[in-house]
Amino acid sequence: ILNVEQSPQSLHVQEGDSTNFTCSFPSSNFYALHWYRWETAKSPEALFVMTLNGDEKKKGRISATLNTKEGYSYLYIKGSQPEDSATYLCAFIVPAYSGYALNFGKGTSLLVTP
Amino acid sequence: GAGVSQSPSNKVTEKGKDVELRCDPISGHTALYWYRQSLGQGLEFLIYFQGNSAPDKSGLPSDRFSAERTGGSVSTLTIQRTQQEDSAVYLCASSPIPRFGYYEQYFGPGTRLTVT
Repeated sequence: ILNVEQSPQSLHVQEGDSTNFTCSFPSSNFYALHWYRWETAKSPEALFVMTLNGDEKKKGRISATLNTKEGYSYLYIKGSQPEDSATYLCAFIVPAYSGYALNFGKGTSLLVTP
Repeated sequence: GAGVSQSPSNKVTEKGKDVELRCDPISGHTALYWYRQSLGQGLEFLIYFQGNSAPDKSGLPSDRFSAERTGGSVSTLTIQRTQQEDSAVYLCASSPIPRFGYYEQYFGPGTRLTVT
């Protein structure tokens, strides 16, 4: 199992603030990286699938970048809203014996207050 | 359309009993995945299926865990002789393409298993 580290563990911001989180992963044998948002009492929802070094993806006010050479991805939220409150997970995909393994970080828990 | 469904949503069982968790993926999704989240831990990958076959079962925590998928659709995760450390939320996900990891996964609502 390869460690995927996410920071910070939790974050509390005011409505309108912009924020960002970090996902760190092993830089060797990169295959793909996923970002998910997991709201309380709901299912995790995919945000981005990133496969190429230098990838930048955007969905509304949320965007993500990927640096496979140094082993990190950033998730940015511009103008945070209370509905952005959730746990944000990144998952690192690595080829494993006879298949693949998917390693999730523990997530960054975001709370946005009005 | 219908999303991924799981049953039961909650299951309380006594230590030593067997339990069976069910996942109905989105129709047409060929890849299916099982995860669990124990208290205070991140999501732990257990196993994935391409069609009815599971290329790698090494993620299953012990030989008390088994999973199968039939007809390229429904999957069941069976835990025999449950232990308290098996208590967790078990999540199932599916994706339309079997090429692992290149496509987003659609998650079900999970089954919360409590072993007393």
